[in-house]
Amino acid sequence: GQSLEQPSEVTAVEGAIVQINCTYQTSGFYGLSWYQQHDGGAPTFLSYNALDGLEETGRFSSFLSRSDSYGYLLLQELQMKDSASYFCAVRGSSNTGKLIFGQGTTLQVKP
Amino acid sequence: DSGVTQTPKHLITATGQRVTLRCSPRSGDLSVYWYQQSLDQGLQFLIQYYNGEERAKGNILERFSAQQFPDLHSELNLSSLELGDSALYFCASSVVEGRDEQFFGPGTRLTVL
Repeated sequence: GQSLEQPSEVTAVEGAIVQINCTYQTSGFYGLSWYQQHDGGAPTFLSYNALDGLEETGRFSSFLSRSDSYGYLLLQELQMKDSASYFCAVRGSSNTGKLIFGQGTTLQVKP
Repeated sequence: DSGVTQTPKHLITATGQRVTLRCSPRSGDLSVYWYQQSLDQGLQFLIQYYNGEERAKGNILERFSAQQFPDLHSELNLSSLELGDSALYFCASSVVEGRDEQFFGPGTRLTVL
């Protein structure tokens, strides 16, 4: 089977840096992705890692270590609008887009 | 706006009833995915279609079925509804299958009373 673990809640202050960790167990692995979801809204794609290392996209970076079955999302220069839920997801098959999502991490950014 | 549209936005119905949720993917996207998100839960994959064919299934209940039509829009049919089926149902699309970047619609909030 496949499962992902991530912290349920994280709190940080505006301007700070926060890291959201994700560990996964999967029989097949074709990538780790991250999605952001504001309360009740549509999830939006943030980043994707298929290979080990760091991917940077503006204030957001994502890291993957396949040997450790571990990844993280790094958010820098936090803004109030970053308050949202963040989900990691794995794709366990090469030829389908079936994503298995973690339970999500609720990030609260305080002034 | 992702370009994916879903109707209706809200649906309130009674137990035992049947409903149909509709999704139109982004222009040019051939793959459609359906996800269920219950209160305070993560996104649960239900089913994927690619160019009209079923490609992957998650833990979709037998009371649920879906299809993708020749114009690529998709419908998710939920029957014999139970209270526990109350959830947000999202449709997502991607250009090809096997893509991690999926574009989600605004969702249909289903309430079963």
